Amino acid sequence: QLVQSGTEMKKPGESLRISCQGSGYNFTTYWIAWVRQMPGKGLEWMGRIDPSESYVNYSPSFQGHVTISIDKSIRTAYLQWSSLKASDTAMYFCARQSATQASLWGQGTLVSVSS
Amino acid sequence: DVQMTQSPSSLSAAVGDGVTITCRAGQTISRYLNWYQQKPGQAPKLLISGASTLQSGVPTRFSGTGSGTEFSLTISSLQPEDIATYYCQQSYSTSWTFGPGTKVEIK
Repeated sequence: QLVQSGTEMKKPGESLRISCQGSGYNFTTYWIAWVRQMPGKGLEWMGRIDPSESYVNYSPSFQGHVTISIDKSIRTAYLQWSSLKASDTAMYFCARQSATQASLWGQGTLVSVSS
Repeated sequence: DVQMTQSPSSLSAAVGDGVTITCRAGQTISRYLNWYQQKPGQAPKLLISGASTLQSGVPTRFSGTGSGTEFSLTISSLQPEDIATYYCQQSYSTSWTFGPGTKVEIK
C-alpha cells in the first residue's frame, strides 16, 4: 500500500513537504508518481521518480514549481514546494507507476494554502 | 505533452443502460491507454490498461477498445455503484497526461 501524510494548512510563501510511504512490495521496482487534483477539477500528472536511481521526470507544467525526491531507505517519496501559492490548493495523490500504468494509489493529501 | 480529450464531459443514463465514453489522443499512442474510475472522495482506481486489459476484480460489464488515437470505454449495463468520474490516461510519452474526465450519473 501507499500511505500519504496528512492534511496541511499553510500560508502563501511558506514551504512544505508531503510524503508517501510504500509497503508490501519491492519499493525499487516501481516508479512513484505524483498527481494533482484541484478542487472540483480533473487529474494532472506532475512527475515521477525512480526509487532505485532517484531519477526524476517532471511534467513541463510543473517543472521548476515543485521538487520530487525519495529516501529509499525508508521507502518514502516526497513532493515539496519552496514557496506555496494559493493556486497550490489541491488534493495530491501519489501512485505506484510501472512503465505503462499506475496500479496502486495513496489516499491523497489535502493541501490548503490561504492567508 | 500528448493532449487527451474525452466526450461527453458528463452523461446521465438509467440503471441497466449501456454507456460509452470516447477518448482521443492528440497523436498516435498505440495502445498505451489506461482508464481510471474515481468515486467522490476517493483515489482513482485503475480499471483497464493497455486499452483493453481488464484489471483483476473489475466487473466484466466494463470493456475497452481502441488503438492509435481513438479509444472507448463501455459499461454494458450501468449499475448504481458505477457512479463516478472516468479518466483516460496515456502512458506513451515520458510525461503522462490524463483526459479531462467524464462524469457518469444515474437518470
